[in-house]
Amino acid sequence: DADVTQTPRNRITKTGKRIMLECSQTKGHDRMYWYRQDPGLGLRLIYYSFDVKDINKGEISDGYSVSRQAQAKFSLSLESAIPNQTALYFCATSHGGETYEQYFGPGTRLTVT
Amino acid sequence: AQSVTQLGSHVSVSEGALVLLRCNYSSSVPPYLFWYVQYPNQGLQLLLKYTTGATLVKGINGFEAEFKKSETSFHLTKPSAHMSDAAEYFCAVSDGPNTGNQFYFGTGTSLTVIP
Repeated sequence: DADVTQTPRNRITKTGKRIMLECSQTKGHDRMYWYRQDPGLGLRLIYYSFDVKDINKGEISDGYSVSRQAQAKFSLSLESAIPNQTALYFCATSHGGETYEQYFGPGTRLTVT
Repeated sequence: AQSVTQLGSHVSVSEGALVLLRCNYSSSVPPYLFWYVQYPNQGLQLLLKYTTGATLVKGINGFEAEFKKSETSFHLTKPSAHMSDAAEYFCAVSDGPNTGNQFYFGTGTSLTVIP
């Protein structure tokens, strides 16, 4: 089984709808992240969480919110989706100690019409 | 904030030729540097990383990269390209665990391998 899973993998929604993207991990990492990927822009950080009680805004948090329900679960919500939120969304995790790399989920492709 | 520049959004090489993907960064502190690969319809997979120690680091699939502090560069190389190397490559920089392991990604380089 994959260490970092994301659901759904693909989603088409309409403008104004609320949508939630979910991320779960079995790596036991404290830190979790949400990114969006747009062609030609690379990955940009939306939110990150050091632990269940510590959530921080990233570079592009406007229009998004998150919830860290447990150490292993980190959800991203779009309260009122708009077309320019159409993108590929990635969840990632990392350990807070000596190992610095982030481990990525397979991504969720979101289309807002 | 950190920034990462990847020169060349698209690179084409012949099978068996040298692969060179360029990455330059700006950092006010000693950085942690990473290269990730993304195959179509997949997430990002770590190729290699530099944190401390030897400046030439070897990764998976025959890739390596050299940290050059004086040039603020971390270019990715592979002596002989294989068709399976065709993918998107991302360079990333981090200040490490003290800032929550925040990563700053470059815009990516798409590698095409010509048979």
